[in-house]
Amino acid sequence: ILNVEQSPQSLHVQEGDSTNFTCSFPSSNFYALHWYRWETAKSPEALFVMTLNGDEKKKGRISATLNTKEGYSYLYIKGSQPEDSATYLCASSGNTGKLIFGQGTTLQVKP
Amino acid sequence: EPEVTQTPSHQVTQMGQEVILRCVPISNHLYFYWYRQILGQKVEFLVSFYNNEISEKSEIFDDQFSVERPDGSNFTLKIRSTKLEDSAMYFCASTLLDRRDTQYFGPGTRLTVL
Repeated sequence: ILNVEQSPQSLHVQEGDSTNFTCSFPSSNFYALHWYRWETAKSPEALFVMTLNGDEKKKGRISATLNTKEGYSYLYIKGSQPEDSATYLCASSGNTGKLIFGQGTTLQVKP
Repeated sequence: EPEVTQTPSHQVTQMGQEVILRCVPISNHLYFYWYRQILGQKVEFLVSFYNNEISEKSEIFDDQFSVERPDGSNFTLKIRSTKLEDSAMYFCASTLLDRRDTQYFGPGTRLTVL
C-alpha cells in the first residue's frame, strides 16, 4: 500500500446504528495514525492520534484501533446520532509531522 | 478554547492575480502547516514552517507559492499568479513544538480562480 485509503467513501445509517470505517496506510516508515472529524464549514477536529501497534483509543461513543504491522486502523461509532454526521479523515504521518490523508468517509445519520 | 483562524473564508480571484491567504495560529504554537483540498480529491500537504524557515515542502509548492510569518501572530500563504487549478480549500494548521503529533486546523479558505 503506497497511499492512505479509506473505505467506504460514504455511509448512510439510521440513528442508533453502530458503524465502522477502515483506513489503510503504508506500514513502512510509520510514525503515527490520525483520525479527524470534519463538519462542513468548520475546522477538522482531531479525534485520535495513535502510534503503537494494538493501540485502542476511545472518546465517548467513538473508538479506534491500530494495526501497524498490516497497516490498517478502524474507527467505530456506537449508537450513531445525527450530530455524528460528518466526514471522518484518516491521515498517516512520518517523523516530520507531514500528514498524508485518505479521501475521507462521509457519514450521514438519519433521525 | 484557543483555535486557529483563517481569513477570508472565501476568496474569488481572476487567473493571474496574486492572492494572500491569512492564518492566525494558536498563540503558543511554533510549527505551522498549509494543506489544500481540491474539490473531490484528498487533502494534500503543501508546506511546513518553523523558526521562519520552510521545514518541508511538497512538489505542489513551486515558485508560485511562498509562506511568511510577517509578525508574531500571522502566517500567510501567497500565490503569485493564480491558475484555474489553484482553486481549492486551503487549510492552515499549527502545533506545539514538542507535541507535533496533534495538528490543530483552521476552518479553511475557499479559493476560487476564474
